[in-house]
Amino acid sequence: AQSVTQLGSHVSVSEGALVLLRCNYSSSVPPYLFWYVQYPNQGLQLLLKYTSAATLVKGINGFEAEFKKSETSFHLTKPSAHMSDAAEYFCAVSSGGYQKVTFGTGTKLQVIP
Amino acid sequence: DAGVIQSPRHEVTEMGQEVTLRCKPISGHDYLFWYRQTMMRGLELLIYFNNNVPIDDSGMPEDRFSAKMPNASFSTLKIQPSEPRDSAVYFCASTQGDRVSEAFFGQGTRLTVV
Repeated sequence: AQSVTQLGSHVSVSEGALVLLRCNYSSSVPPYLFWYVQYPNQGLQLLLKYTSAATLVKGINGFEAEFKKSETSFHLTKPSAHMSDAAEYFCAVSSGGYQKVTFGTGTKLQVIP
Repeated sequence: DAGVIQSPRHEVTEMGQEVTLRCKPISGHDYLFWYRQTMMRGLELLIYFNNNVPIDDSGMPEDRFSAKMPNASFSTLKIQPSEPRDSAVYFCASTQGDRVSEAFFGQGTRLTVV
């Protein structure tokens, strides 16, 4: 069985501040982990993915995430928030094969000018 | 490629009516997924196909829902009869190969059943 928990359904940060979106996973096998972003009225777009290579993964738009097995976490960070980062972010886990991906409930990021 | 194309973008229908949502996956992709997104339940996988064959439909809520993929470039999700609780955004996504890779999502169909 696998699952992801995203802590905080809404997160607000000031423009230029650090973005930290939390994700903890549960998986009975070594997981693959993903972060997706969804802009209003759009589908989901892949930000980054971890597939058992480097534990620090860099994605698009300046985002990165670190896989920490001891903490079963895959938190998403960005050093400096931009207004265009306002969106909903989904963490997801897979035990193998995209068809087995389980999504979290999402975190809406608000960026305050 | 234009990406995953879904139609219509918005659909408003009356309870009891049949609704058909359409999806054109990215050319060459052999996996196609239908998801439903609601505020209460988040993103749920309804069904997925591999090479036009339904592999897992365990997420389909009930018999009122059906999905087909008559060829590699077209899939439909049908609800008959529709109910207000079916109101949601329905996404289609496609990907290539039985490996962990990026799935490409369409822009979704926002369904409202009144």
